[in-house]
Amino acid sequence: QKEVEQNSGPLSVPEGAIASLNCTYSDRGSQSFFWYRQYSGKSPELIMSIYSNGDKEDGRFTAQLNKASQYVSLLIRDSQPSDSATYLCAARTGGFKTIFGAGTRLFVKA
Amino acid sequence: GAGVSQSPSNKVTEKGKDVELRCDPISGHTALYWYRQSLGQGLEFLIYFQGNSAPDKSGLPSDRFSAERTGGSVSTLTIQRTQQEDSAVYLCASSVLDGNYGYTFGSGTRLTVV
Repeated sequence: QKEVEQNSGPLSVPEGAIASLNCTYSDRGSQSFFWYRQYSGKSPELIMSIYSNGDKEDGRFTAQLNKASQYVSLLIRDSQPSDSATYLCAARTGGFKTIFGAGTRLFVKA
Repeated sequence: GAGVSQSPSNKVTEKGKDVELRCDPISGHTALYWYRQSLGQGLEFLIYFQGNSAPDKSGLPSDRFSAERTGGSVSTLTIQRTQQEDSAVYLCASSVLDGNYGYTFGSGTRLTVV
């Protein structure tokens, strides 16, 4: 069973702090990894993708990938209340479907 | 269209009835996916269409579920003899190529079986 595991949270951080979200995946054949943000009652929205080991930065977001440890993370710098949402980690398998984790709920306190 | 369009947005049906959910992907997106999300849960893969290839149906939970994609565009997910455990949000997504650059999701259909 190919899985993506995330801590369900909630993770609570004060406004302006760094939020760190983590996930592990079981399929060593996975090559593409994604972070989606899902606001309550809304559908997921792609915010980051990462394909190679190391860091990828986009504005306040940094995705980190370590394939040897099968570990993906998302850092959100200068967290804002508007970042409060559920963050879904996802891994694309060799079979072309993407497996999603159950998500981590993030609360940013003003 | 500008985005992935799903209809209806909400559907309440009686146990045992059949339902059809529709998805119209972004124009030019060759790949189309159906997922479902139960309350407080992650996304469960159901089925994947890519161009004219045979669909990957490995996620369909039972033979009551079926889906088709006509003309490489619009897709319909059909659930026969609905059960209460089918209650969930059904999400459709589309992507260029084979999803290696992530998906764009529709707004979903909230299905409630009473």
